Amino acid sequence: QVQLQESGPGLVKPSETLSLTCTVSGGSMNSYFWNWIRQPPGKGLEWIGYIYYSGGTDYSPSLKSRVTILVDRSKKQFSLNLNSVTAADSGTYFCARGETAMLPYFDYWGQGILVTVSS
Amino acid sequence: DIVMTQSPDSLAVSLGERATINCKSSQSVLYSPNNKNYLAWYQQKPGQSPKLLLHWASTRESGVPDRFSGSGSGTDFTLTISSLQAEDVAHYYCQQYYSTPVTFGQGTKLEIK
Repeated sequence: QVQLQESGPGLVKPSETLSLTCTVSGGSMNSYFWNWIRQPPGKGLEWIGYIYYSGGTDYSPSLKSRVTILVDRSKKQFSLNLNSVTAADSGTYFCARGETAMLPYFDYWGQGILVTVSS
Repeated sequence: DIVMTQSPDSLAVSLGERATINCKSSQSVLYSPNNKNYLAWYQQKPGQSPKLLLHWASTRESGVPDRFSGSGSGTDFTLTISSLQAEDVAHYYCQQYYSTPVTFGQGTKLEIK
């Protein structure tokens, strides 16, 4: 059974960089998209971006200038860096596995990690 | 970006009755070469991560009860719960994976009447 687990700080100061890691267990990273998705409190889902198992990336245009997603296949981890954060970046961040299509749909999700941007 | 619009925003249905949630995309998500609709549905219960219910608009995930079904093509889609159970109380989201960026509907809150 594939499992994903997010980790990282729950509090980030404005203008700093939000850094999260997702650890994958119970399956291979090959042939899948590895995604970050976020959800502001009480609101809907927003896709941030993915890294494909081979290293290719795609990011939401609204966040592209501030986002980097990297993968470490040896550790079965992928990471999210979002710089210059503001309060609008607060919310629950999910990592998710994307099934291969032209673009992904998301078949396994982490439990989510709540990140608050505040001084 | 493809805009996904769900209706209604919230819905209250009696136990055992049918629940219907609609999802409309601002452009077609039907890929003609394979005749597949690049549309997925998710269920999110309070305090939990979303759960994939259906992909290709109507293909049910393993373990999802058969009271959940999906229909539609092109720009108009429907998620139907044939006989509402108490455990179906949740938010439901549609998502297109036809073009980047992938986008979600705003969500529909389903409650018991």
